[in-house]
Amino acid sequence: DAGVTQSPTHLIKTRGQHVTLRCSPISGHKSVSWYQQVLGQGPQFIFQYYEKEERGRGNFPDRFSARQFPNYSSELNVNALLLGDSALYLCASSFPTGDTEAFFGQGTRLTVV
Amino acid sequence: AQTVTQSQPEMSVQEAETVTLSCTYDTSENNYYLFWYKQPPSRQMILVIRQEAYKQQNATENRFSVNFQKAAKSFSLKISDSQLGDTAMYFCAFMDNFGNEKLTFGTGTRLTIIP
Repeated sequence: DAGVTQSPTHLIKTRGQHVTLRCSPISGHKSVSWYQQVLGQGPQFIFQYYEKEERGRGNFPDRFSARQFPNYSSELNVNALLLGDSALYLCASSFPTGDTEAFFGQGTRLTVV
Repeated sequence: AQTVTQSQPEMSVQEAETVTLSCTYDTSENNYYLFWYKQPPSRQMILVIRQEAYKQQNATENRFSVNFQKAAKSFSLKISDSQLGDTAMYFCAFMDNFGNEKLTFGTGTRLTIIP
């Protein structure tokens, strides 16, 4: 079975541009969460979506948005990119009904120049 | 807000030895979950072990075990018979019991197993 897949794996953008990152959860998983991991730090929670609805939001500016599609895949959008948005963006999926185990993808490395 | 602290930025140990990674956390909740995740150079976060706060018994998974001290808010990871493949970043993480599945991570410990 395929694990959590994220695309693209690497991305270089210019300051001020917009970026869309994509995530496909494990088959059967209905919850998707997004994390930002800046170099040398632990991941920081950005969003959680379950059944296409936002369930949680971390302390990130409105430039960050996300959505979940009927097939439970998800997109993370970041507008007006700043140099400080350079990071590894991780997606995690989990099966609902209280199962706490989150399965992570390999992430998208975003570099803003 | 919950916080997770890992006070050991780096550790190294000889292959086959035992190593303990430290983690403390702060929360006002009584029911929650604690995790240790491993992140090798491939970047993918892999769950190593999980502990439910309502369980007094420490979790074990093969060579990995935890020492969970709820009153002290301490959650250390012990790796026995360490192997070269254990070389990675290790993150301690907290999840509350509110169903939003938000993980709060520490800053990580870089563990190197020396042949």
